[in-house]
Amino acid sequence: AQKVTQAQTEISVVEKEDVTLDCVYETRDTTYYLFWYKQPPSGELVFLIRRNSFDEQNEISGRYSWNFQKSTSSFNFTITASQVVDSAVYFCALSEEISSGSARQLTFGSGTQLTVLP
Amino acid sequence: EAGVAQSPRYKIIEKRQSVAFWCNPISGHATLYWYQQILGQGPKLLIQFQNNGVVDDSQLPKDRFSAERLKGVDSTLKIQPAKLEDSAVYLCASSFGTAAYEQYFGPGTRLTVT
Repeated sequence: AQKVTQAQTEISVVEKEDVTLDCVYETRDTTYYLFWYKQPPSGELVFLIRRNSFDEQNEISGRYSWNFQKSTSSFNFTITASQVVDSAVYFCALSEEISSGSARQLTFGSGTQLTVLP
Repeated sequence: EAGVAQSPRYKIIEKRQSVAFWCNPISGHATLYWYQQILGQGPKLLIQFQNNGVVDDSQLPKDRFSAERLKGVDSTLKIQPAKLEDSAVYLCASSFGTAAYEQYFGPGTRLTVT
């Protein structure tokens, strides 16, 4: 089973529409971390947000918001009033312990290609 | 603050040849990562260093891939001999601490094996 599932392979919206990118994760750890990264056409991955497993408070940063629900193992990402510059591949990622100890490993989902049309 | 530097940006080689990639992390970042990203997929961790020690190399194909970070700063990833399926973008990232912290990525090296 995949540790991080992004079921939406591609999404296309028209500018100014809201869009939600889904992420479902699987882990046995009680302490874990979730991330979202953006990969624009230039290719360089850009960090967007980090959440730890004990903080379920939703977060808003400008037009971006994140909804973390442990009960459903989901960490969804919403872009409000989307813009053409939001077009990119978005990756959800999970950091969990490799084995007992302090070492951790980051596992990425397969990504969602978001296209915002003018 | 300078970001993660990688070179070369592009490389084309024939199968069975060898190739090496270089990465210089953000100053002060103890942890360095190498990822392989095949077209249409998310990055897959190959190896993770904490200073100059290997933390995790469970997904590194050790029969052909090797990596080192001798002085705990910059790092080199080598493939010898290359196979067609090694065609991918090789990403280097660094973080202040463990993989619990956000990672900062370099621009990547796009490898094409013909």
